[in-house]
Amino acid sequence: DVKVTQSSRYLVKRTGEKVFLECVQDMDHENMFWYRQDPGLGLRLIYFSYDVKMKEKGDIPEGYSVSREKKERFSLILESASTNQTSMYLCASSSEQGDPYEQYFGPGTRLTVT
Amino acid sequence: TQLLEQSPQFLSIQEGENLTVYCNSSSVFSSLQWYRQEPGEGPVLLVTVVTGGEVKKLKRLTFQFGDARKDSSLHITAAQPGDTGLYLCALSSYNFNKFYFGSGTKLNVKP
Repeated sequence: DVKVTQSSRYLVKRTGEKVFLECVQDMDHENMFWYRQDPGLGLRLIYFSYDVKMKEKGDIPEGYSVSREKKERFSLILESASTNQTSMYLCASSSEQGDPYEQYFGPGTRLTVT
Repeated sequence: TQLLEQSPQFLSIQEGENLTVYCNSSSVFSSLQWYRQEPGEGPVLLVTVVTGGEVKKLKRLTFQFGDARKDSSLHITAAQPGDTGLYLCALSSYNFNKFYFGSGTKLNVKP
């Protein structure tokens, strides 16, 4: 079974702190994604990576950066956390070789910025 | 504005009832996916529909893709408490590197 793990299920940070969210997948997938999920807005893509060290901006990249130094690991960085970044953050991966429609999601990290 | 509109936003029904939820867009899309997300978990893919008019069945769940490929529906027969969750529709960009999600229908099935 594909497994996507995220470093924390719950995180509380203060405004202005630098925040790292880590995501690891164990199926050698090429593509990895970071979304945030807010009530009434669905999932919105923050950043996408199709290979090591490669990244593309999604729909809402402002205030975020990403890092992909190894194929299995994709990190989301909030350089200076703000209260409007309080949200559920979901990581996903997909394979170029398998079903292109299927994304595998991690359990999510609920981040609260106070 | 959302690329995909889902309705209803919330649905609370008794075990054994039937229900239908909808996903609509003003644009034509080549394929559409349905996911279910249980509380505290990430979404899990249920099905992908590709052909206009296509109907796919997954046990008590029936998925339909509109003839014009601008809408889709999910029908659940004899709902059970285990069906409780958030149902999301999504579509992908042509090269599968971006996915766009609707805001979801939150379903609660009471025993």
